Amino acid sequence: EAGVTQFPSHSVIEKGQTVTLRCDPISGHDNLYWYRRVMGKEIKFLLHFVKESKQDESGMPNNRFLAERTGGTYSTLKVQPAELEDSGVYFCASSPRTAGEQYFGPGTRLTVT
Amino acid sequence: EDKVVQSPLSLVVHEGDTVTLNCSYEVTNFRSLLWYKQEKKAPTFLFMLTSSGIEKKSGRLSSILDKKELSSILNITATQTGDSAIYLCAVNDYKLSFGAGTTVTVRA
Repeated sequence: EAGVTQFPSHSVIEKGQTVTLRCDPISGHDNLYWYRRVMGKEIKFLLHFVKESKQDESGMPNNRFLAERTGGTYSTLKVQPAELEDSGVYFCASSPRTAGEQYFGPGTRLTVT
Repeated sequence: EDKVVQSPLSLVVHEGDTVTLNCSYEVTNFRSLLWYKQEKKAPTFLFMLTSSGIEKKSGRLSSILDKKELSSILNITATQTGDSAIYLCAVNDYKLSFGAGTTVTVRA
């Protein structure tokens, strides 16, 4: 069974540009989560989808971040415009049930210069 | 805000030693506690604990939850160099709140 996949693995962009990260969850997992680790800090929650609906987006830092999950399969996280403080590793996780174990992807390392 | 504290932050042991990692938490709506191992990329799921006093075991790794003390421990026995990693504790109240992790280095 394929695990959670994320694309790209690494992205370097300039401040003010737009970047879109993609996550493909484990097949059949209705729950999809985005998390972020910025330098030196803990992994922090961004948002949670159940199928195509946003269940909780309380961790989204500001309105420059937009997450979508059209059709309830893969998800995208767009940052527009990117700022220096957005640099970090963005993880996606999926789970077969809410409050169940979450399986993580390898992350996308975003560097904003 | 939910709080998860892991200790120690790092430790170095020799192959064959036993290590005990600690995790304490303060959360509003506790559902479960999870342990992950992170080597290079993706945190790898180890255990999910929901009930106090019931040990979960997988090979040389085991973990137990104490909901009265709001804590959990992860034990690794007969450590091997392949156990070198960051071990993350996370508490689930529908989203995960992570601790800072414990970096374990196992020397041959």
